[in-house]
Amino acid sequence: EVQLLESGGGLIHPGGSLRLSCSASGFTFSSYAMNWVRQAPGKGLEWVSSISGSSGSSHYADSVKGRFTISRDNSKNTLYLQMNSLKVEDTAIYYCARGSSGYYSPGDCWGQGALVTVSS
Amino acid sequence: EIVLTQSPGTLSLSPGERVTLSCRASQTVTSSNLAWYQQKPGQAPRLLIYGASSRATGIPDRFSGSGSGTDFTLTISRLEPEDFAVYYCQQYGSSPRTFGQGTKVEIK
Repeated sequence: EVQLLESGGGLIHPGGSLRLSCSASGFTFSSYAMNWVRQAPGKGLEWVSSISGSSGSSHYADSVKGRFTISRDNSKNTLYLQMNSLKVEDTAIYYCARGSSGYYSPGDCWGQGALVTVSS
Repeated sequence: EIVLTQSPGTLSLSPGERVTLSCRASQTVTSSNLAWYQQKPGQAPRLLIYGASSRATGIPDRFSGSGSGTDFTLTISRLEPEDFAVYYCQQYGSSPRTFGQGTKVEIK
């Protein structure tokens, strides 16, 4: 069974840093692109970042470019999102999602999400 | 950036009714790289449709997608009680991979 499990969320002050992890199981992790998508409280979905299976390609939303870094460790079947210079508007549930096929593909499996709250 | 506009914002319907949701893009979506997701309260999104018209694994055939270019549609042929949820479209053919703002399908 394909499973994704996010961790690392919590309460952080503005300007602080946090690293989210997404542990994958049930599939060959290195063969799939991975994505981070977030959802602010009561709001819609916002794509954050994507990374290819080999880490050779990655992209970011303008809202997080220069502050967030996506990475992966295929030996540990784990995806990461390093979040620096956090802002109040980064408060959201952060989901990791597997790309179904290829770098440009939809998310066919999602984790349960990790809540990040940025507040003073 | 491709902006996706979904309409209507909210639909109030009864079980058994037919539903048509719209997703309009501000520019052509590359190779019909358009997906639809369903999200229920407190849950992660679930992929319903990819490639504009292909159903994801395990999705009932009452869900269908159509369209190309800039205009896309999700149709639910006959609403079941478990279909009341928020539906999002997403284009994934170019970065940023934008989502529409969502359409809520609620019980009338």
